[in-house]
Amino acid sequence: SAVISQKPSRDICQRGTSLTIQCQVDSQVTMMFWYRQQPGQSLTLIATANQGSEATYESGFVIDKFPISRPNLTFSTLTVSNMSPEDSSIYLCSGQESYNEQFFGPGTRLTVL
Amino acid sequence: QKEVEQNSGPLSVPEGAIASLNCTYSDRGSQSFFWYRQYSGKSPELIMSIYSNGDKEDGRFTAQLNKASQYVSLLIRDSQPSDSATYLCAVKEYSGGGADGLTFGKGTHLIIQP
Repeated sequence: SAVISQKPSRDICQRGTSLTIQCQVDSQVTMMFWYRQQPGQSLTLIATANQGSEATYESGFVIDKFPISRPNLTFSTLTVSNMSPEDSSIYLCSGQESYNEQFFGPGTRLTVL
Repeated sequence: QKEVEQNSGPLSVPEGAIASLNCTYSDRGSQSFFWYRQYSGKSPELIMSIYSNGDKEDGRFTAQLNKASQYVSLLIRDSQPSDSATYLCAVKEYSGGGADGLTFGKGTHLIIQP
């Protein structure tokens, strides 16, 4: 399976600021996704990162808050904008090689003060 | 609203026994089913996928799917302490092109007792 890396691995940010998380895959994948895992919770899909076009967001997530880019088949970014303590979470990138199976990056642990 | 339900546990199983993890899902359009293992502080790791009714075996793991009952399970034979983790059930709806993300259950915390 593809190896996925994320940067930064963790960060502590101040309220009202923005953080951009990078996701790099070591081979081309058909699809890339962004998920959030809040403390003690399971994963929630934020959006599908579409190459060269606007991301597809799930209910409850909007582009102004979570802008996503995917300039090519191996790289994507997620920005968490105008952060509040409620945004403290682990943000995970996944890649899908075959039609169905998704593999996850190590995650970015974000704490907002 | 798609929902995936799992018993949160903890489920405690003696070493060497069979661990049985269960999952139900609400969306009859779901076509693909996955089990992920997540160790504390780590990201989810795919351990099994199943797409058709019946059983699928891979080493000590067996996934079972019953679409009529909207039920999927994971059996772990000869449980080892290293199997202690949270097991996440995930489902995917078929919409053509594979562009759907996964809907996850809240996970079952499994403890294998030495």
